Amino acid sequence: ETGVTQTPRHLVMGMTNKKSLKCEQHLGHNAMYWYKQSAKKPLELMFVYSLEERVENNSVPSRFSPECPNSSHLFLHLHTLQPEDSALYLCASSQDILSGANVLTFGAGSRLTVL
Amino acid sequence: QKEVEQNSGPLSVPEGAIASLNCTYSDRGSQSFFWYRQYSGKSPELIMSIYSNGDKEDGRFTAQLNKASQYVSLLIRDSQPSDSATYLCAPTTGGGNKLTFGTGTQLKVEL
Repeated sequence: ETGVTQTPRHLVMGMTNKKSLKCEQHLGHNAMYWYKQSAKKPLELMFVYSLEERVENNSVPSRFSPECPNSSHLFLHLHTLQPEDSALYLCASSQDILSGANVLTFGAGSRLTVL
Repeated sequence: QKEVEQNSGPLSVPEGAIASLNCTYSDRGSQSFFWYRQYSGKSPELIMSIYSNGDKEDGRFTAQLNKASQYVSLLIRDSQPSDSATYLCAPTTGGGNKLTFGTGTQLKVEL
C-alpha cells in the first residue's frame, strides 16, 4: 500500500446510524487532515492532527468525532448525521504542519450519503 | 467577499490552445500558493506551487503570482483532453500554513 488509503469508498447510512471512516497514510507524514467536499462548495477543513494531537477543529458539529490513535491512522466517527452531511470526505496528510511548503497528499475519499 | 475566488466555468478550450485559469484571494498575508487538479470522481492532486512574485514554469504548466494584486494564475500550454478537470487554487491563509481552497474552475479541452 502506498500513499493515503481511505475506507470505505462509499457509505450509505441512516440518520440514526453510527459509522466510521478510516484513513491510513504510508508516507511517514506527521500531519493528517479531514476535509469535506460538497457540490459547488470549496473544500472545507474539518480537523487537523499533528503527531496524534488535534491542533484544529473548525467549528465542526459534534456528530463528527475524529480520532488519531497514531501518526499513520485517522478516523472520523459519525453519529446521528443529517442529510446535509452527505458529501465526499477526504483525508489528507503532509510532512508536518509547520512547513511553508504545505504539500497535501489526498486519499481517494469516502462518498457519504445520509438518508 | 470570498477568501478565494475562482470562476467556476466550464472553461472550454480547443486542443492545443493555451488554457488560462485565474484566482484572486483576500488574505494579504498569504505566502504560499498551490494549484491542485481534480478529475471527476477523484481526489485533488498537487500540480504546481509558487511562493514568489513572477512566473514559475514546469513542463506545460506555468504559475503566475502577483501579490500586490492578490492574483495567481495557471497557464496550461498545448492543452490536451487529459487536462480536462477541475483546477483548485489554494493559498495559505491566516498567517500560517492553513490552506484555503477555492471552489475550482472546470476546464474542458475539446478535440
